[in-house]
Amino acid sequence: RKEVEQDPGPFNVPEGATVAFNCTYSNSASQSFFWYRQDCRKEPKLLMSVYSSGNEDGRFTAQLNRASQYISLLIRDSKLSDSATYLCVVSPPGGYNKLIFGAGTRLAVHP
Amino acid sequence: DADVTQTPRNRITKTGKRIMLECSQTKGHDRMYWYRQDPGLGLRLIYYSFDVKDINKGEISDGYSVSRQAQAKFSLSLESAIPNQTALYFCATSPGGTAETQYFGPGTRLLVL
Repeated sequence: RKEVEQDPGPFNVPEGATVAFNCTYSNSASQSFFWYRQDCRKEPKLLMSVYSSGNEDGRFTAQLNRASQYISLLIRDSKLSDSATYLCVVSPPGGYNKLIFGAGTRLAVHP
Repeated sequence: DADVTQTPRNRITKTGKRIMLECSQTKGHDRMYWYRQDPGLGLRLIYYSFDVKDINKGEISDGYSVSRQAQAKFSLSLESAIPNQTALYFCATSPGGTAETQYFGPGTRLLVL
């Protein structure tokens, strides 16, 4: 079983739609959680951290369910510029700044 | 100017050749990492370094070596390149401590024929 699993997509949605991505992780002792965004052929960039209480940044909402080892990202009012691959990222126990990356979920927003 | 730079950006080489990928950063971070990315797989950690005298193997270090020449420089070498090392390679940095965000360079696209 992969340490971090994501639905690869692609998710094809119209502008203005709400879309949700899910991610599961295998190590229940994982410490920190993130969503990164990666545009085609570009480097990953941090989108947001994921906190136990859930957190929101503009149109983006991240949720963490430690009991189910599940992380989600909700994007409201999708824009064309949201088209990218979204990487679920987990910091394992012991951390040391080592990150485990999911393979990513691809989102395509169309007019 | 970019905070994390990688050279070359693209490289084509032949099986058996030795090549070096270089990474430089102006962020002043102590921690540096090398990853590879393959289609359908997440980024996988090759090596990481927490300071100039510290080198650690990651998940997939076989066939690779690294050198941390200075706080700002971290090089990845393929001693004898093979076709399954064809991939997109990323360097990343982080400030360390409790901060876990990593900042990535633009990547090096390597093709081994």
